[in-house]
Amino acid sequence: QVQLVESGGGLVKPGGSLRLSCAASGFIFSDYYMSWIRQAPGKGLEWVSYVSSNGQSVLYADSVKGRFTISRDNAKNSLLLQMNSLRSDDTAFYYCARADRPQQLLRPFDYWGQGTLVTVSS
Amino acid sequence: EIVMTQSPATLSVSPGERVTLSCRTSQSVNSNLAWYQQRPGQTPRLLIYGASTRAAGFPARFSGSGSGTEFTLTISSLQSEDFAIYYCQQYNTWPPWTFGQGTKVEIK
Repeated sequence: QVQLVESGGGLVKPGGSLRLSCAASGFIFSDYYMSWIRQAPGKGLEWVSYVSSNGQSVLYADSVKGRFTISRDNAKNSLLLQMNSLRSDDTAFYYCARADRPQQLLRPFDYWGQGTLVTVSS
Repeated sequence: EIVMTQSPATLSVSPGERVTLSCRTSQSVNSNLAWYQQRPGQTPRLLIYGASTRAAGFPARFSGSGSGTEFTLTISSLQSEDFAIYYCQQYNTWPPWTFGQGTKVEIK
C-alpha cells in the first residue's frame, strides 16, 4: 500500500534552517510528481512546492521562493525540502503529497503523509 | 493566481440532513477541481476529483457537480463520520495550486 512518511520537523529559531524528508513506499516513486503542502495550526491548506518525477522541474509558492529548495532522490524513494531563513509564518504542519496519476501534472493529490510540524519561534 | 472562495465557512447540521457546500473560482478551472475531507486531527483525504468523480473509499452519498467557476459538494444524508472540514482545490492553472479556505461541517 502507498505510504508517505515525513520527518525532520521541530522547533527552530527565526532565521534558522530545517530539512524535511518524506519516505515513500508502495508505489513506483520515480513515476510520480510530488508536492509539499502546509497547514498552519487551525488554518487552511497552502501548496508550497512541486517537483517533477525526474527532479528536473521545480515550482514554488511566492511565499517560500528563494528560501526553500525541493529535491528528490529516486534511488532512495525520498522527497526533501530544505528550508532556510525560516520565519514565524512558516510555522505549520508540512505534508508531502502525490499527484494521483504517474507523469501527469493536471491532477489532484491522492495520497498525503501524516505531516511533520515545523515551529518557528524564539 | 486563481482565488478559491468556499461558502459557508461553517455549516451546523443534524445527522441525516442533506448538505450542500459551494466553491467558486476567480477564473475558469474547467473540471479540474477536487474536494478533500479533513477530519479532526487527521490528514486531508481526496474525496472528489474531476469535479464529480468520487475517490475510492467514499460512499455514494457524496457527490460533486459543476464546471467552470462554480462547484458544489453534496452529502445526501449526513452521517456522524462526515463531520469534518471540506476543502476545494483547483489543479487547472499553476503555480500555484490553490485551495479554498474550507467549510466546517459541525453537529447542530
